[in-house]
Amino acid sequence: GAGVSQTPSNKVTEKGKYVELRCDPISGHTALYWYRQSLGQGPEFLIYFQGTGAADDSGLPNDRFFAVRPEGSVSTLKIQRTERGDSAVYLCASSFRSGSLYNEQFFGPGTRLTVL
Amino acid sequence: SQKIEQNSEALNIQEGKTATLTCNYTNYSPAYLQWYRQDPGRGPVFLLLIRENEKEKRKERLKVTFDTTLKQSLFHITASQPADSATYLCALYSSASKIIFGSGTRLSIRP
Repeated sequence: GAGVSQTPSNKVTEKGKYVELRCDPISGHTALYWYRQSLGQGPEFLIYFQGTGAADDSGLPNDRFFAVRPEGSVSTLKIQRTERGDSAVYLCASSFRSGSLYNEQFFGPGTRLTVL
Repeated sequence: SQKIEQNSEALNIQEGKTATLTCNYTNYSPAYLQWYRQDPGRGPVFLLLIRENEKEKRKERLKVTFDTTLKQSLFHITASQPADSATYLCALYSSASKIIFGSGTRLSIRP
């Protein structure tokens, strides 16, 4: 079956612009995670959805970052007034059973965001 | 503060040898630990999970150990092959959302 998909694969924008990054999780996966990965670093947790609600958004760096998952499937990460420091690869992952400690996470290929 | 450290330098191993990667953590009490593989331009791929009450886990040529006293996990690839070349990430979990990844170790297997 299809894995986690993310669009666009690359996004170049100018400082101060608004961007939306999309994640399509594996069908039937109730848990969805967003991460940010900078060069040479591991993924950094941003937000976790359980169904439609954000169960934990403590990793969002500031109020310019916001994510939604209105129907419990596709999720959109939104970044307002982008800054050069937002440049990174944004990864999405999904897992089958929400709330379980032991779920394998399936990652998408990521969206590479470059803020000029 | 909570911290995870993996081999800071890239690891270069001769094909056929065993590669051993290290993951050390401080100020953290993970319920379990996972290892992922990441290839350039791709998302991480899950390899193995080990729980806090397990000492060792194996899967084919892979073996993971977890020592909660030493606060360390070791990841071994036996009979290494050039196709094993990638970055390997350890990730510590204490809840469904509290997840911390290490910065990864880049492994190169030379023929």
